[in-house]
Parts: sequence; C-alpha cells; structure tokens
Amino acid sequence: NAGVMQNPRHLVRRRGQEARLRCSPMKGHSHVYWYRQLPEEGLKFMVYLQKENIIDESGMPKERFSAEFPKEGPSILRIQQVVRGDSAAYFCASRRAPEDTQYFGPGTRLTVL
Amino acid sequence: GQNIDQPTEMTATEGAIVQINCTYQTSGFNGLFWYQQHAGEAPTFLSYNVLDGLEEKGRFSSFLSRSKGYSYLLLKELQMKDSASYLCAVRKGGGNKLTFGTGTQLKVEL
Repeated sequence: NAGVMQNPRHLVRRRGQEARLRCSPMKGHSHVYWYRQLPEEGLKFMVYLQKENIIDESGMPKERFSAEFPKEGPSILRIQQVVRGDSAAYFCASRRAPEDTQYFGPGTRLTVL
Repeated sequence: GQNIDQPTEMTATEGAIVQINCTYQTSGFNGLFWYQQHAGEAPTFLSYNVLDGLEEKGRFSSFLSRSKGYSYLLLKELQMKDSASYLCAVRKGGGNKLTFGTGTQLKVEL
C-alpha cells in the first residue's frame, strides 16, 4: 500500500529554466494538494486539485506557476522561468474523501542556482 | 485571514512529558491537525480534533478548545526519536486546505 509518491526528490535548475514536479497520490485518493515550505517557514498552501479540475488555486503565485491533475497520470506542478526565490521544498498531499486526513509525500527539494 | 501561533523551539528530557501549545484565529473553523516532521522528511499525521476535548492516541494526546482558539499536543514518555518539528494546522471550511503554523522544533535530550 504505497503512500504518496513524489519525484524527483531533489531537483536543481538554473535561473530561467523550467521545473516540473510530479505527485502520485495514494491509491484511491482523488484529491491532491500542493504546499511549499521555504527554509525556516511553515508549509504554505498553493493549490487543490481533483481529477482534471483545479478547485482552489488561491495560494498559487499569479505568474510562472501552474498545476494540473490529468485523468491519467500524476499531478504536475510546473514552475516556468525559475528564480532563486523558488528554491524550497514542495510537498504534495492527498486524501480520499471530504473531511479525510491529508497524507503527505516526501517532497521535492528544488534548488535554483 | 488566519493566524496560527506556536512556540518556535522547546527542549525536554527523555522520559518526560512535554506540551506544545497552538493558538489560532479563524472563521469557519473545521478542524485542527497536528503533524510531526523530521528534518528533510514529509509531515506525518499525528492527530485531529474538531470537537472540544482530548483525543488520546498512545503516547500522544491532543486537546482542543474552540471557544478559546487553543489546542495543545501532549507527548508522554519522550524518546530521542521524538526530536522533530511539530506542526499545528487549521482546516477552514469544506475545501480541506490546511493553514499551518511555523512549527515547534522539539529537542529531546538525555
């Protein structure tokens, strides 16, 4: 019974490149959340998706960031034209049904050089 | 908006009991969660309270007072492996997104 999976675990990009972060939710979970954790800060909500739908993107920066959760395959968080301030740990969480607990993946640590 | 406050750091002795407090201000409160996060790892779910009172789960207990906007996590019989960051998170409304505090870094010493 695999948990939430994220890859890559570590990602290094140069300024201006694109970063693609993947999240496979737990089996049977159709709700996915992305959070960002900056050094010495708490987790900050970015976006909430269900299959093929963005439900809440109130925490997403207005530019360069996008997310999707296609019918088939993992959820993708895409950051275009990365800047040094994007360096952070990005965590994905999933849940099965409303009111259920969210379970977190191991995170992707993005470093922008 | 939501304000969630918890102490930044705490130190306790192996075998002792420690209480980590969390206060919050929010409208549409729909539950409070505690997660444990070891350095470089994923947050791990510990407990959930939506009604007032104490929830006990082994060495860990969590308490909630909705009228006071207050929760605490109680860790008993501390072990060295309990050294970690403890995150308080509040759920608002039905969307289930969580708002986290900055976490309390607990150090367990011999």
